Amino acid sequence: GESVGLHLPTLSVQEGDNSIINCAYSNSASDYFIWYKQESGKGPQFIIDIRSNMDKRQGQRVTVLLNKTVKHLSLQIAATQPGDSAVYFCAENMDPGGYQKVTFGTGTKLQVIP
Amino acid sequence: DAGVTQSPTHLIKTRGQHVTLRCSPISGHKSVSWYQQVLGQGPQFIFQYYEKEERGRGNFPDRFSARQFPNYSSELNVNALLLGDSALYLCASSLDNRGSNQPQHFGDGTRLSIL
Repeated sequence: GESVGLHLPTLSVQEGDNSIINCAYSNSASDYFIWYKQESGKGPQFIIDIRSNMDKRQGQRVTVLLNKTVKHLSLQIAATQPGDSAVYFCAENMDPGGYQKVTFGTGTKLQVIP
Repeated sequence: DAGVTQSPTHLIKTRGQHVTLRCSPISGHKSVSWYQQVLGQGPQFIFQYYEKEERGRGNFPDRFSARQFPNYSSELNVNALLLGDSALYLCASSLDNRGSNQPQHFGDGTRLSIL
């Protein structure tokens, strides 16, 4: 399939190592954040979310950290596997008035080296 | 359970033509949002539909329109196609139109190419 990862920042990680993907968001009014994984030829797939009243949330092999002071999110993937290779987007959600506006970051391409 | 489904998967049109893309949300989801994703970039919000009405719109011209049907499925229409409309068009569904604690779930998109 056609790659969605052209011209994106790339993170190369050895299989089995931990990965950390960072994201800066722009709007201090955003109150809900999501990480999505997008594989080539597919739509974004939900990974994990976090609300603004939290600073950490853990899932299976993934952890999201939120620092509202500096408007920064990170996604940590433990024991990275070849199937984790994809483009990762952070998305900030806000309700400007009766609807859900989702703004995506620029994305990071994760390459897992076997 | 079926996720968000979109059709067609690929489409080729010429400048000036009109196109209609279709989306079926996850069962039980009442809100549908449309996004445009240009190669190498993140998805850009076009608009959100809830209870058959447009509830919010991004920075897209009036050539882009949509509608939502009683079964919550949706169609995206683009008139007077331009070369710059070539992109992956993504549909996302969510339970309702509020964003505070619910993720949007995406389909695999329609790849639109304009010649």
